[in-house]
Amino acid sequence: DAKTTQPTSMDCAEGRAANLPCNHSTISGNEYVYWYRQIHSQGPQYIIHGLKNNETNEMASLIITEDRKSSTLILPHATLRDTAVYYCIVRAGNNRKLIWGLGTSLAVNP
Amino acid sequence: DGGITQSPKYLFRKEGQNVTLSCEQNLNHDAMYWYRQDPGQGLRLIYYSQIVNDFQKGDIAEGYSVSREKKESFPLTVTSAQKNPTAFYLCASRGASQETQYFGPGTRLLVL
Repeated sequence: DAKTTQPTSMDCAEGRAANLPCNHSTISGNEYVYWYRQIHSQGPQYIIHGLKNNETNEMASLIITEDRKSSTLILPHATLRDTAVYYCIVRAGNNRKLIWGLGTSLAVNP
Repeated sequence: DGGITQSPKYLFRKEGQNVTLSCEQNLNHDAMYWYRQDPGQGLRLIYYSQIVNDFQKGDIAEGYSVSREKKESFPLTVTSAQKNPTAFYLCASRGASQETQYFGPGTRLLVL
């Protein structure tokens, strides 16, 4: 099962783009990369996922490198409400188990 | 409103007691999951069920039990065999043709 590594914490100024990196160098060809976030004491919230191509939705953009060994989640205009722990996860196996790491604690500052 | 509900939000248990955490979803999802989260840690999978009347152990199933008698319900029982039950418990569900798991608000269990 592929594992991910993320920086422990990051800061971002309100209104600026937040770029959260993730390394998944052992990812298999059929494993998806997922991003969730968790605001303190709440359930995780799905943000975006991708396999090979870059993806964009109303919340964020996901940039996956060509070799698929790393990815970056981009919040284009961070707000204070984006302060949360962001988890980069790969999906393992047919049971769709998600393997969770420790995530990146993002602080958006006014 | 469609979604996943967990109750109660906070739960206190005396040592040696079993306690059951509720998880209900009205999303018509086939798969349901239970995770445990300790402070400052990621989520760890306890049990999951991909279809009614079937479930599998996750990575930390010891001291826990589940049932899946109805599609919309996946209760988790924390037994007295679980030596360190104080944690935040999260339930999730996923549709059969979907890749994404959606989470409930969680139940915080505290052993007194």
